Amino acid sequence: IAGITQAPTSQILAAGRRMTLRCTQDMRHNAMYWYRQDLGLGLRLIHYSNTAGTTGKGEVPDGYSVSRANTDDFPLTLASAVPSQTSVYFCASSEGSTTGELFFGEGSRLTVL
Amino acid sequence: GQNIDQPTEMTATEGAIVQINCTYQTSGFNGLFWYQQHAGEAPTFLSYNVLDGLEEKGRFSSFLSRSKGYSYLLLKELQMKDSASYLCAVRDSNYQLIWGAGTKLIIKP
Repeated sequence: IAGITQAPTSQILAAGRRMTLRCTQDMRHNAMYWYRQDLGLGLRLIHYSNTAGTTGKGEVPDGYSVSRANTDDFPLTLASAVPSQTSVYFCASSEGSTTGELFFGEGSRLTVL
Repeated sequence: GQNIDQPTEMTATEGAIVQINCTYQTSGFNGLFWYQQHAGEAPTFLSYNVLDGLEEKGRFSSFLSRSKGYSYLLLKELQMKDSASYLCAVRDSNYQLIWGAGTKLIIKP
């Protein structure tokens, strides 16, 4: 089934550890996004990529980094996890950066202790 | 600042009609989206409005008034499976999506 795959689906992590959340899409979409979702708040954009080879900072980029080496993959890295990064992380993609709706992955639930 | 407002929670009865409102103040406007999100799942696309008026798609309709900064999502013939959160999002002048916190809809038999 075409779509977006995220891994892992759930992870408990000790503070200070490095963690990479993986995201792969097979729809050949140009734009990809990482959001975090916390109770009572709207989805907040962490980083985005309008096309392979480019990335940009969203609303809450501190403590996170991304890369976009090719069209399909958009990993999110937490260099040194902190408890405030406990959240549900969603990867999404859209056909273009200015057009089309977003398609979301199933989410990665991260707990930092 | 940019802001999207929608009610936190609503309750409705199976078989009835419910209207979920969304008001927005954003830097420019390039379209408004509604998404459905069941608990523990990913958001899924419901509708898109860029011009004023009503867009109908089966049991769901979405309305937009750009001059009022207002939209609503209308759900007819409610079913238990419609129990979910409904997210309103606006694409601003930079084509970034600004998201509301979502409206949790509870359907009672």
